[in-house]
Amino acid sequence: DGGITQSPKYLFRKEGQNVTLSCEQNLNHDAMYWYRQDPGQGLRLIYYSQIVNDFQKGDIAEGYSVSREKKESFPLTVTSAQKNPTAFYLCASSRQGGNNEQFFGPGTRLTVL
Amino acid sequence: GQSLEQPSEVTAVEGAIVQINCTYQTSGFYGLSWYQQHDGGAPTFLSYNALDGLEETGRFSSFLSRSDSYGYLLLQELQMKDSASYFCAASPMDSNYQLIWGAGTKLIIKP
Repeated sequence: DGGITQSPKYLFRKEGQNVTLSCEQNLNHDAMYWYRQDPGQGLRLIYYSQIVNDFQKGDIAEGYSVSREKKESFPLTVTSAQKNPTAFYLCASSRQGGNNEQFFGPGTRLTVL
Repeated sequence: GQSLEQPSEVTAVEGAIVQINCTYQTSGFYGLSWYQQHDGGAPTFLSYNALDGLEETGRFSSFLSRSDSYGYLLLQELQMKDSASYFCAASPMDSNYQLIWGAGTKLIIKP
């Protein structure tokens, strides 16, 4: 079955530690995205990538980093520079053109203690 | 700038019809999409309007009027499982991939 996987579903880290969230897709989509969602809020774009080895900052990129070494993978690192990292993180992918439908992974809920 | 506005919360009764509005300010976009997100879950695609008018998919319909910078999602025969947040999103012409998201509308359904 095609889809997007994110792991882990829940993640706990101590303040000051970097943490990497995994995102893998087997939909053969060119574009991938990372969003942050805080309780009761909408989606805010952190980073997106339209093609392998290329990515662009979204609206709230500070304190985050990404890589896109493979088409299938788009990991997100939450660094210690991110002042308030506790949130729900969603990864998505889409193909070029059409209705830009984005397919989402199940999300990772990160709690920094 | 580009922005989409939705009501933060809408309440309706099971079995009824509800309309969730989305007004936007964008310089140009290909179409307007709607997504559903249940608490703790991931957003899922509901519908897309590239042209003005009504698109119907089962109990859900979506409407777009570019001249009025306005769209809506219409949910009929409401069921308790429709309790969720609903997001409108626009596909801007200056980006082939990105979506501009509204803040979402929480739909509360009462029995």
